[in-house]
Amino acid sequence: DSGVTQTPKHLITATGQRVTLRCSPRSGDLSVYWYQQSLDQGLQFLIQYYNGEERAKGNILERFSAQQFPDLHSELNLSSLELGDSALYFCASNGGWTDTQYFGPGTRLTVL
Amino acid sequence: GESVGLHLPTLSVQEGDNSIINCAYSNSASDYFIWYKQESGKGPQFIIDIRSNMDKRQGQRVTVLLNKTVKHLSLQIAATQPGDSAVYFCAENEGNTGKLIFGQGTTLQVKP
Repeated sequence: DSGVTQTPKHLITATGQRVTLRCSPRSGDLSVYWYQQSLDQGLQFLIQYYNGEERAKGNILERFSAQQFPDLHSELNLSSLELGDSALYFCASNGGWTDTQYFGPGTRLTVL
Repeated sequence: GESVGLHLPTLSVQEGDNSIINCAYSNSASDYFIWYKQESGKGPQFIIDIRSNMDKRQGQRVTVLLNKTVKHLSLQIAATQPGDSAVYFCAENEGNTGKLIFGQGTTLQVKP
């Protein structure tokens, strides 16, 4: 158990819908990272937050957004969902960006 | 563009043998490298890391070797066990954001 929690574990929805994925970092960690894992693209970095502020962005679609709240949990919002958005979404956390990132169990999103 | 890649998609070894998983990276400015293990249905699990000022680091049954001259990283697992069966990813830390760039992964199969 990494100490990073993610909910829900599974999510099934339809194209065009909007979903919210939630992540709670390890106790004391200020940085939260979101990654997408698909069969054809592997593990891809989406976005990073540090103590409530956006720190880095990867190839995140404009339909996707995230935020980190004062209690340091983070949410990833995916809107206007397409079939190709079906993937595993992982959250990771660490205390600072030079530290080891610990991953949560992931949310499996299926878009029908 | 920068990338981190693994040489072999699948490695099959006999239980008790040593395993070596290789990785090539392209960004010579990267200074931190990590190996993760991912079991089916789970998030990536930290195994071992190494910073660019080192060329070798040992853990429990695992050793990571870094050759900066040829931009090559390897993970050695001693006395491989059935529980080591998983997908192994190398990752490269992209400087001051903490963004991880992952390789495509190598599937390790351990035959009893």
